[in-house]
Amino acid sequence: DTAVSQTPKYLVTQMGNDKSIKCEQNLGHDTMYWYKQDSKKFLKIMFSYNNKELIINETVPNRFSPKSPDKAHLNLHINSLELGDSAVYFCASSQNYGDQETQYFGPGTRLLVL
Amino acid sequence: TQLLEQSPQFLSIQEGENLTVYCNSSSVFSSLQWYRQEPGEGPVLLVTVVTGGEVKKLKRLTFQFGDARKDSSLHITAAQTGDTGLYLCAGFGVKLVFGAGTILRVKS
Repeated sequence: DTAVSQTPKYLVTQMGNDKSIKCEQNLGHDTMYWYKQDSKKFLKIMFSYNNKELIINETVPNRFSPKSPDKAHLNLHINSLELGDSAVYFCASSQNYGDQETQYFGPGTRLLVL
Repeated sequence: TQLLEQSPQFLSIQEGENLTVYCNSSSVFSSLQWYRQEPGEGPVLLVTVVTGGEVKKLKRLTFQFGDARKDSSLHITAAQTGDTGLYLCAGFGVKLVFGAGTILRVKS
C-alpha cells in the first residue's frame, strides 16, 4: 500500500491553464504539506494543514490554492499557470506538526508549463 | 528567514572512500533532519537529531548535531554505489527549512 500518493505523476500543460494536483495519505496522519522542488533540487514548503486547518502559508502567488476536504487529502489547485511554475511538487504528511515529526513524502508531480 | 547552507553541492567518489557532507546556518534549530532522495522519488528521512552535540549512527552513516544546534554533518564510511543520491539536511525552527542538497555519486 502506498503511504502518500499523488496524481498525476506527470503534468504537461500550456501557459494560462488551470490545473489541480491531488494527494492522499493512508497513514492516519493529522498534518499534510505541499512542497515545491525547483530545477536545482531546492525544496521549499508552500502550505501545511493540520486537522484540515491551514497552519503554514508561505509567500506563494495567490494563483496557488490548497484545499483539504478531509485529513487524508490535500489538493493543490493552480490558476493561470506560468512558465516559472514548472517544478516538481511534493505532498507530504506527518503524524502531527512539530520538530521531531517524520515527514513522509509522496513520489512527486512533475509539472511542465509550455 | 532561517537558511541552511549545504556543502559540497556535488560529490563524486570511488566505492570504498569516506565522505562528509556539511550543513551550516547562523540560526539555531530545535531539531535537524537528514533526508535521502533518489531520482524520481520523494525524500526519505534518515535521521532526526535534537540535542546539541548529539551523534547518531545508522550503519555506515554517522550524523552529528553541532553543540550550538546551528550545524550538522553526515559522514559516510566506505561508500557503496547504493549510497548514490541526493542528501538533504532540514532544520526545524517554526517550520522545516531545507538545505540545497548534496548530490552524491559513488562509482564502482
